[in-house]
Amino acid sequence: EAQVTQNPRYLITVTGKKLTVTCSQNMNHEYMSWYRQDPGLGLRQIYYSMNVEVTDKGDVPEGYKVSRKEKRNFPLILESPSPNQTSLYFCASSKLHNEQFFGPGTRLTVL
Amino acid sequence: GESVGLHLPTLSVQEGDNSIINCAYSNSASDYFIWYKQESGKGPQFIIDIRSNMDKRQGQRVTVLLNKTVKHLSLQIAATQPGDSAVYFCAENPSNTGKLIFGQGTTLQVKP
Repeated sequence: EAQVTQNPRYLITVTGKKLTVTCSQNMNHEYMSWYRQDPGLGLRQIYYSMNVEVTDKGDVPEGYKVSRKEKRNFPLILESPSPNQTSLYFCASSKLHNEQFFGPGTRLTVL
Repeated sequence: GESVGLHLPTLSVQEGDNSIINCAYSNSASDYFIWYKQESGKGPQFIIDIRSNMDKRQGQRVTVLLNKTVKHLSLQIAATQPGDSAVYFCAENPSNTGKLIFGQGTTLQVKP
């Protein structure tokens, strides 16, 4: 089944404890992206990647890192999480300049 | 059907009526536009897209209209059903970039 998977789906952590949210797609898509969704602010793009080893900042990249060592994986790294990074996170993938397929979301709470 | 002005956060329609959800986009360089549907607890799901060389595209029960002159996008849903209840987002893709800019979203409520 063609899909985007994210892990974990739910995570509660404490300020400053490094964490990684994984994202994987099995559709051989070149493009992958991370978003956060917050009430009243909608979906905002954090980082995106147009191919392996190519990443770029979205609208809200501060406090996040990404890597794209392989085509199928695009992990989101929070080196020192803070409470303002409590949010619902979505990973998405697509062929270049086509509709994006979204994962099921990761709900992160930083205490 | 019920027409709404630019971005009302909530649209309530009767089952069987037509729905029209509007969206104003911001970037003149955007050449690709997408409508997504998001149900509670799920990720956004692709509905329909349109490129800037078109002004209308139809899918199954859905139609997207693009007016580049006023930078306006609309989604029309025919014969709205209870399963259409969700939040609908428009998104724009500025040309030759990987960015996808989402609108605020409109909650569609379908009354039986």
